[in-house]
Amino acid sequence: QITLKESGPMLVKPTQTLTLTCSFSGFSLSTRGVAVGWIRQPPGKALEWLALLYWDDDKRYSPSLKNRLTVTTDTSSRNQVLLTMTNVDPLDTGTYYCAHTSGYEFDYWGPGTLVTVST
Amino acid sequence: QYVLTQPPSASGTPGQRVTISCSGSSSNIGSNYVYWYQQLPGTAPKLLMYRNDQRPSGVPDRFSGSKSGTSASLAISGLRSEDEADYYCAAWGDRLNGYVFGTGTKVTVL
Repeated sequence: QITLKESGPMLVKPTQTLTLTCSFSGFSLSTRGVAVGWIRQPPGKALEWLALLYWDDDKRYSPSLKNRLTVTTDTSSRNQVLLTMTNVDPLDTGTYYCAHTSGYEFDYWGPGTLVTVST
Repeated sequence: QYVLTQPPSASGTPGQRVTISCSGSSSNIGSNYVYWYQQLPGTAPKLLMYRNDQRPSGVPDRFSGSKSGTSASLAISGLRSEDEADYYCAAWGDRLNGYVFGTGTKVTVL
């Protein structure tokens, strides 16, 4: 059974760096073809794809955010994926999801974590 | 950053058929599979359709997907109250070298 869960700060200040953790079980990020993606959703708005981390450590980022995003696996646990976003802005407020894919479809999603960027 | 266009809303009465369109380009829908996600209020999105017209296990056959050229559609037949949700199309974007979501469509059951 595949499960994912996002965690991180609920509130961050503008210009700070946000780090979110995706903890997962039921699959291995070492399995060929598997990837973990990050997607966000501002309040009342549409989904926005942010990043993908592949089984072979290949990475893809949204072109509009690639200068601010880094996705990595936690060095102490291969069952965690980290998303780091630098220089956050109130426009980065929203629910952040991580999701599993073994192709192109995100077939399993975490429940999401709400992040508010505010002073 | 949304390159897939959907109508903001769609509605129907119980039992009716509702269709949602998704318009893209040759570098996304035109050359890759289309996926559909359903997001019920207050919940995470759920995969509803993959590879244009394939339903994951557990998705009722009232839902169907199709693709033609640079556009795709999701149809819901026999509309039910529990279908009231936001629906998003998605595809891989070759030019962006990344995943793209649609603008989303809110389906209301009247």
